[in-house]
Amino acid sequence: EAGVTQSPTHLIKTRGQQATLRCSPISGHTSVYWYQQALGLGLQFLLWYDEGEERNRGNFPPRFSGRQFPNYSSELNVNALELEDSALYLCASSLRGEPDGTQYFGPGTRLTVL
Amino acid sequence: AQSVAQPEDQVNVAEGNPLTVKCTYSVSGNPYLFWYVQYPNRGLQFLLKYITGDNLVKGSYGFEAEFNKSQTSFHLKKPSALVSDSALYFCAVRGYNAGNNRKLIWGLGTSLAVNP
Repeated sequence: EAGVTQSPTHLIKTRGQQATLRCSPISGHTSVYWYQQALGLGLQFLLWYDEGEERNRGNFPPRFSGRQFPNYSSELNVNALELEDSALYLCASSLRGEPDGTQYFGPGTRLTVL
Repeated sequence: AQSVAQPEDQVNVAEGNPLTVKCTYSVSGNPYLFWYVQYPNRGLQFLLKYITGDNLVKGSYGFEAEFNKSQTSFHLKKPSALVSDSALYFCAVRGYNAGNNRKLIWGLGTSLAVNP
């Protein structure tokens, strides 16, 4: 069974540009989560999508947005990039209605803002 | 307040020795607790979870964790460490946001270094 996949593996942008990151969940999973992992800051929750709707949002500015498609894949968009947006962005998925919330992670997209 | 604490930024242990990575939590109700591991330049891998039942939970790669309700702890353990266990370990607890939607609350991670 294929795991969570993310693309691209690496992304280099300059300040002010927009970045689009993509995630495909494990087959059968309907929930997708996005996290930012910046150096020394641990895992910061960004967004949770389930059944195409945003269910929860972390403490990030509105320039971080996303969506979930009918096939449950997801996009994370970051507008007006800033230097501090440089981080590893992780996507995770879980089963709908999973009561314990076990999440399965992809390998991440390394975003570098110059 | 909902929170997870991993009091040690780094743990060093010699290969073959037992290891413990500590985690304490604060959440209302019955806790759902998780351990994940992250190898360099990789995503997180699920190790084990505690939902209910036996306080000692066994997981992947020979790891286990002990739930202690009175001490609100969920320490990760392994009887004999391997150099390949060197990685970043994250503890998490299921919590809820203001809209009563569930979310995972994460610790900041503990870097484990196993020395040959």
